[in-house]
Amino acid sequence: GAGVSQSPRYKVAKRGQDVALRCDPISGHVSLFWYQQALGQGPEFLTYFQNEAQLDKSGLPSDRFFAERPEGSVSTLKIQRTQQEDSAVYLCASSRIWDRGSYEQYFGPGTRLTVT
Amino acid sequence: SQQGEEDPQALSIQEGENATMNCSYKTSINNLQWYRQNSGRGLVHLILIRSNEREKHSGRLRVTLDTSKKSSSLLITASRAADTASYFCATDANTGGFKTIFGAGTRLFVKA
Repeated sequence: GAGVSQSPRYKVAKRGQDVALRCDPISGHVSLFWYQQALGQGPEFLTYFQNEAQLDKSGLPSDRFFAERPEGSVSTLKIQRTQQEDSAVYLCASSRIWDRGSYEQYFGPGTRLTVT
Repeated sequence: SQQGEEDPQALSIQEGENATMNCSYKTSINNLQWYRQNSGRGLVHLILIRSNEREKHSGRLRVTLDTSKKSSSLLITASRAADTASYFCATDANTGGFKTIFGAGTRLFVKA
């Protein structure tokens, strides 16, 4: 019955390091979304999974960003060779299913990534 | 590259007053949702309105949708200090993909 959880909550990386951010969605939720939120802005869509299938990755800003959800539950967002512009809060959300946006998304607390 | 635009960007009111926030979007949609974000509870869904609906109520919240103008408004009546937060509208892109597009948000401050 727990909500969406994300770990770590805070991550500081030196420029050039690789990072991995984890998302545990609500049990049974088919849909999983990743967003990037810059300070003072709304979340920006990165990618979408339906079960283990990554059906939309149109928001990933570069090929340094990679996401997976191999068993249709936990998801990992990996950023390779981090850059300062990657500093943001990364939000994960899950929902029961995708039906043209007709189900609410439940958001995790986010991971605040700071690249120094 | 966000399609939603909220206005005002910031709003400061006294407790008990009503707060109205507006959202405009660019492409046709299936649904529009409003979310609230504060430091305590993160991003939380408030209400969803479908493209064939014009108005919807939930407690102290009233949402309207005008698809001809591609705009929506969120009214919070009898505001409370606990309503202090950022409010975002979010739309599906209705392009066959799965993207949800959020606006930049309205920052509401309710003074006790």
